Amino acid sequence: DAGITQSPRYKITETGRQVTLMCHQTWSHSYMFWYRQDLGHGLRLIYYSAAADITDKGEVSDGYVVSRSKTENFPLTLESATRSQTSVYFCASRAGTGGENEQFFGPGTRLTVL
Amino acid sequence: GENVEQHPSTLSVQEGDSAVIKCTYSDSASNYFPWYKQELGKRPQLIIDIRSNVGEKKDQRIAVTLNKTAKHFSLHITETQPEDSAVYFCAASRSGGYNKLIFGAGTRLAVHP
Repeated sequence: DAGITQSPRYKITETGRQVTLMCHQTWSHSYMFWYRQDLGHGLRLIYYSAAADITDKGEVSDGYVVSRSKTENFPLTLESATRSQTSVYFCASRAGTGGENEQFFGPGTRLTVL
Repeated sequence: GENVEQHPSTLSVQEGDSAVIKCTYSDSASNYFPWYKQELGKRPQLIIDIRSNVGEKKDQRIAVTLNKTAKHFSLHITETQPEDSAVYFCAASRSGGYNKLIFGAGTRLAVHP
């Protein structure tokens, strides 16, 4: 579990501000993911990345931007935060390239947009 | 695309009873079905998974069954304990690269002493 970390763990921001959530993994996993978790919606995929410089949208990508210049880092940016983006955000990485491999989650970032 | 439905959304049992959570999926090509447990304030963690070449898998008090024809799979927890109280998520995925897990909405299990 210590292999994937997120920062900050808690963040309060205001509507309209840009916010970046960081994710770092030490396993050299190729695949990384960002999810948001809201009551009643489970884990919804925001973005994912198959390797450095390869990213793709998930089901709820509007208002979010990602980058992946290095394998170990996968930052998520909210370009102009809205109240509806108040949520718990989880980063994850996957052992192996295939969808049948175990996925490991980071500890999460609780974001509040006022 | 793939859709995973999970039932029930909440489940309350007495300690020592069994608990069953059911999921259905829509993509007949899905062949990997993990279950994650998320304790309050913690990250989701894999507790058991099953691949389509088997119909059942057990690990101590937990088991998962898969019916590919009906496209549903279930988590069974026997002799429940208070520490089993958590939210459980099922998921489904195709194998191979560039495929991703699709999660169910979760089941909140409460085990009462």
